[in-house]
Amino acid sequence: KAGVTQTPRYLIKTRGQQVTLSCSPISGHRSVSWYQQTPGQGLQFLFEYFSETQRNKGNFPGRFSGRQFSNSRSEMNVSTLELGDSALYLCASSILSGSTEAFFGQGTRLTVV
Amino acid sequence: AQTVTQSQPEMSVQEAETVTLSCTYDTSESDYYLFWYKQPPSRQMILVIRQEAYKQQNATENRFSVNFQKAAKSFSLKISDSQLGDAAMYFCAYKGTGNQFYFGTGTSLTVIP
Repeated sequence: KAGVTQTPRYLIKTRGQQVTLSCSPISGHRSVSWYQQTPGQGLQFLFEYFSETQRNKGNFPGRFSGRQFSNSRSEMNVSTLELGDSALYLCASSILSGSTEAFFGQGTRLTVV
Repeated sequence: AQTVTQSQPEMSVQEAETVTLSCTYDTSESDYYLFWYKQPPSRQMILVIRQEAYKQQNATENRFSVNFQKAAKSFSLKISDSQLGDAAMYFCAYKGTGNQFYFGTGTSLTVIP
């Protein structure tokens, strides 16, 4: 059974650009959550998608958005990138929304220059 | 709001020895789960152990065990017979009735041969 797949693994973008990250959950899992990990703030919840609907959103500006497709794959988008958006973005896959068991991908390392 | 505190940014242990990582949390919920995740250099968050708050018995997974003190809101992880492969960042996490995990800031564990 394949794990959670995040692409790309590494990304370098310039301030002001936008970026799209992808997460493919474990087969059969319908919930995808996104977290931002930085040395200063640790892991912070961005949002969760379940059955193509955003179920919950963390305290991030509107520049951060996401969506989920019918096959449960999810994308997150960050527009007008800022230097402070440099982080590791982790995706977590669960069978259902609110499940206590979550499986994480290896993350996408985004560097904004 | 739920908060998770890890007061030990770094810890070290001799190979084959025992080490305990500390975690405290704050919540007003009565039903919740606590977790320890391991994040090696590969960046993938790996579940080490899970504890249901309603269970008085401390969870154990092979060399990993927890000391769960519900009244004190304390949740420490004990690693016995430490191995080189245990070296990683360890995160304590909380999940209540909401859909998101709340993570501590992590403890970097070094295993000395």
